[in-house]
Amino acid sequence: DAKTTQPPSMDCAEGRAANLPCNHSTISGNEYVYWYRQIHSQGPQYIIHGLKNNETNEMASLIITEDRKSSTLILPHATLRDTAVYYCIVRGSQETSGSRLTFGEGTQLTVNP
Amino acid sequence: NAGVMQNPRHLVRRRGQEARLRCSPMKGHSHVYWYRQLPEEGLKFMVYLQKENIIDESGMPKERFSAEFPKEGPSILRIQQVVRGDSAAYFCASSPTWDRRQPEYFGPGTRLTVT
Repeated sequence: DAKTTQPPSMDCAEGRAANLPCNHSTISGNEYVYWYRQIHSQGPQYIIHGLKNNETNEMASLIITEDRKSSTLILPHATLRDTAVYYCIVRGSQETSGSRLTFGEGTQLTVNP
Repeated sequence: NAGVMQNPRHLVRRRGQEARLRCSPMKGHSHVYWYRQLPEEGLKFMVYLQKENIIDESGMPKERFSAEFPKEGPSILRIQQVVRGDSAAYFCASSPTWDRRQPEYFGPGTRLTVT
């Protein structure tokens, strides 16, 4: 699976949009971009994933560049409960080679009142 | 829908004892993954199982650790003769298929403390 690079930390004001970047310059054509978050020491929470098109769900939006070498997770109206470590993960689509999630260091997002 | 369930949530074992961690996947999910998070470290993949089969155990320590996912019942992660270095949070995740277009959903974890 391709390696990802994220800033170690970011701050965001409550009510504003949080834009979390991720670089994945070595991504392959069949690899998906996944985002998870971990609030304190809870189990990781799935947020969103995509291949090449932008995606949106009730939690967030995922913007993937045309060359797929980077992406941005957008939390449109951040709340204090969104304070967490956010992980960007590139994941293959084959049964054996893509059978795991490889978590990096992630980005510690702190939402301030 | 009930999410992924793990029990116990907290487990204390003395050095040399055995630890058994249980994971019940989401309804309709037949694929289970175990991850470990050591204190102040990131999550690391351990093993991937389907019903009655181990698909990928490349992240499992070579000794004392084993996992199973029987035809009936929860998946079990077993740690024999625990040592202090096994103290960690163990997370289980499940998915409905092997297809990587389907996300894995995580349980709340079991926090193992070895004294």
